[in-house]
Amino acid sequence: NAGVTQTPKFQVLKTGQSMTLQCAQDMNHNSMYWYRQDPGMGLRLIYYSASEGTTDKGEVPNGYNVSRLNKREFSLRLESAAPSQTSVYFCASMKRDSYATDYEQYFGPGTRLTVT
Amino acid sequence: KNQVEQSPQSLIILEGKNCTLQCNYTVSPFSNLRWYKQDTGRGPVSLTIMTFSENTKSNGRYTATLDADTKQSSLHITASQLSDSASYICVVSPPGNNRLAFGKGNQVVVIP
Repeated sequence: NAGVTQTPKFQVLKTGQSMTLQCAQDMNHNSMYWYRQDPGMGLRLIYYSASEGTTDKGEVPNGYNVSRLNKREFSLRLESAAPSQTSVYFCASMKRDSYATDYEQYFGPGTRLTVT
Repeated sequence: KNQVEQSPQSLIILEGKNCTLQCNYTVSPFSNLRWYKQDTGRGPVSLTIMTFSENTKSNGRYTATLDADTKQSSLHITASQLSDSASYICVVSPPGNNRLAFGKGNQVVVIP
């Protein structure tokens, strides 16, 4: 049981390049999330997927797109990277159903992205 | 204005000493309040969870308290160890639980 996995761990992009951050979870959770974490800013929600087949914008969605490929996988795409997107990106998942009582979000190890 | 404010922003403590971290929030109503621990270079990991009706929860040397009337929570670390060096993040879940409100974290450094 690996929990939440993210690839890659590190990435350097030039301004204007595109890339996709991958996230997968093996806990059969139905909700998945993408956050970015910047110094002094805390974690900010980019997009989330409450269930397979749905996605919604979070607090800072501009410049990003997401795909909920299936129940396990949720990817984040930067179409044209900008230096302002230099950050650490975390994927998280959570069980949401009538039996869940604690609604804990489980986080992946993060992807450190630098845009030059 | 941030819905979750934490203080102090950072602190240094001697190994073996106790410390208390503070969290003030404005989210209301809320489903639960969690404290997460984030080690450097890792993702956050949940330490404690409290619903609005609970006022204390322990996890080993970590004890969280909640005062829903004053909208304050604290995390007390007893007999600190070097492995307690981390950022501690207060997270409040509104009803629905999708858009969590995160504090910016308390950075704790434990020195020998």
